[in-house]
Amino acid sequence: AQTVTQSQPEMSVQEAETVTLSCTYDTSESDYYLFWYKQPPSRQMILVIRQEAYKQQNATENRFSVNFQKAAKSFSLKISDSQLGDAAMYFCAYRISNAGGTSYGKLTFGQGTILTVHP
Amino acid sequence: DGGITQSPKYLFRKEGQNVTLSCEQNLNHDAMYWYRQDPGQGLRLIYYSQIVNDFQKGDIAEGYSVSREKKESFPLTVTSAQKNPTAFYLCASSISGRARGELFFGEGSRLTVL
Repeated sequence: AQTVTQSQPEMSVQEAETVTLSCTYDTSESDYYLFWYKQPPSRQMILVIRQEAYKQQNATENRFSVNFQKAAKSFSLKISDSQLGDAAMYFCAYRISNAGGTSYGKLTFGQGTILTVHP
Repeated sequence: DGGITQSPKYLFRKEGQNVTLSCEQNLNHDAMYWYRQDPGQGLRLIYYSQIVNDFQKGDIAEGYSVSREKKESFPLTVTSAQKNPTAFYLCASSISGRARGELFFGEGSRLTVL
């Protein structure tokens, strides 16, 4: 079974600084997606960034970037120039991308990391 | 605007009562999902449906039931058999297939058992 582990229950960062959130996962599949979702106090889950496993290039979205290490099964999120609005719970998630099968389409989530941004 | 609508946002239930949480999407997505969120445990999958009139149990299906009679709708019933139903419930949908792969979420429903 696939598992996703976030080893940092809480992290904090000063405004304008950079912070990295860690995520590791376990899978025997070779083709899959990895995601980082943000959950602000409103509780709405918002997609931050997506990485396809077959792509070697790390995904970036403005101030957000990932360090995807497929062999190590590691998928960390770097937030640059942190802003007060970045404060939220962040979830790492995994999804198999093969069509068919009973696990197709399901997201498996990590336990989450609470990020606090200090002004 | 396209999106996922969950209702009600807050729901209180007495022990022994069944309650149904509504989830409607107008994104024309084939797949829909129900997740439960508890503090410190992330999100756990309850049920999912890849197509109308078909659904599969997730990791914590006991005490829950679903139906998928329409593409747009995937209601979740929390039955009296669910031993600890107080939680935050999130509904999601996705395009079935390889494209993109992400789930889109509703705003959630908070269920409290009195």
